[in-house]
This record gives sequence, structure tokens and C-alpha cells, in this order.
Amino acid sequence: GEQVEQLPSSLIVQEGASVLINCSYTDSASVYFPWYKQEPGKRLQFIIDIRSNMERKQTQRLTLLFDKKTKHLSLHITATQPGDSAIYFCSAARTGGYKVVFGSGTRLLVSP
Amino acid sequence: DPKIIQKPKYLVAVTGSEKILICEQYLGHNAMYWYRQSAKKPLEFMFSYSYQKLMDNQTASSRFQPQSSKKNHLDLQITALKPDDSATYFCASSQARNTGQLYFGEGSKLTVL
Repeated sequence: GEQVEQLPSSLIVQEGASVLINCSYTDSASVYFPWYKQEPGKRLQFIIDIRSNMERKQTQRLTLLFDKKTKHLSLHITATQPGDSAIYFCSAARTGGYKVVFGSGTRLLVSP
Repeated sequence: DPKIIQKPKYLVAVTGSEKILICEQYLGHNAMYWYRQSAKKPLEFMFSYSYQKLMDNQTASSRFQPQSSKKNHLDLQITALKPDDSATYFCASSQARNTGQLYFGEGSKLTVL
């Protein structure tokens, strides 16, 4: 079955820095890649997604890059703020399926 | 207003007992899911339902039984509880299969002693 790997497992940065979170998947049939953010003690919240027919998507301070050939995604967060401190999850899903597979998460800590 | 309600938020159980985790969604979504989050496996898919029908099941143990009495309900019954079942169980829903985002509940944190 699909496996999603995320690196790094944790990041500590100063406010204002940029961060890069990498994600790779194994199933060529995966076509949809949503990312979620989980603040301490809270629900997972959707932040950005990309489909396999796209290479790049940007929203505010988030840029998501997708390389179908290498089965690799990367999430770039610019101008980080303490409120960005959370666990970030990459996920992958097939067309027509009812299962979204998540990576192990990247814990980001942004210090003021 | 929470759009997905999970109850209880916290629960403690003894080994061998049975618990039911409740999930109701008020988003009008067609599909509902259960995920488990623990230190060992950060976010593990368990079940998915659509229109009250089981669509996918990745839980090997029959001790975990989803129950859907209505389209917007998906409860999780866990029997013969073990300490390894200690985790936070998240319910989620989506408008359509894998074409939309998952909306998660706040989770039910289960501790088995």
C-alpha cells in the first residue's frame, strides 16, 4: 500500500525564517496531496493541496511544489511566525478511493 | 461551532473493557473516516464509510467495529481493550471521496490501564 515519508521530523527556527518540509510517496496511483497543520491539542486543519497535474501551488506564505517523476513534494513556508508552530502532515490519496494516507509529520517550532 | 463533534474528549478504560467513541458531523458530507494517532504511528487510517457503507478497512483487529446509524454518524466500538489501544482517535469527514479535504474532529483521547 501507499507509504508517505516526511523529513525532517522536527525543525526549530527563529521567527522570520523560511522552512522547507519534504515529503515522498510510493504509490504512482496517488493523485491528490493535501497538507494539514495540527496545533498542540487541536484538530488537524487543511492548509494547502495539490493535484498530480500541477507542479506548483501558492497561497499566502505557503508554496507547495510537486514532482511526479520523483514522487516528491516540498512545502515551503516563508516569514514564519510563532503561530506557525505546529505539526505539519503531508498526505496522499488515489482517485476514487476512500483512504488518505498520512506521513509521520514534521514538528515545527518557531521561536520569537 | 464545531462541525464535527466527538465524544468523549477524554476517557480512561481498564484492560478488557469496551468503549464506544461517538462522532457526528454537521457539514453535510457523504464520507466519514476514523484515524488513530499515537506515539508509535502518528496518524493511522482505520476505516472509511460513504453513505453508511464501509469503503475501506485497514484495521486488522475485529475488536474495532465502526457503527453508522445515520449518514452523519460514525461511531467506533472498541472491545477487549488493551493498553496498546491507548491513542487519540480522530473522526473526519469529506464531501466526496478523495476529491476534497478532510475535516477533522478534535479527537477522543483514550487511555487503557
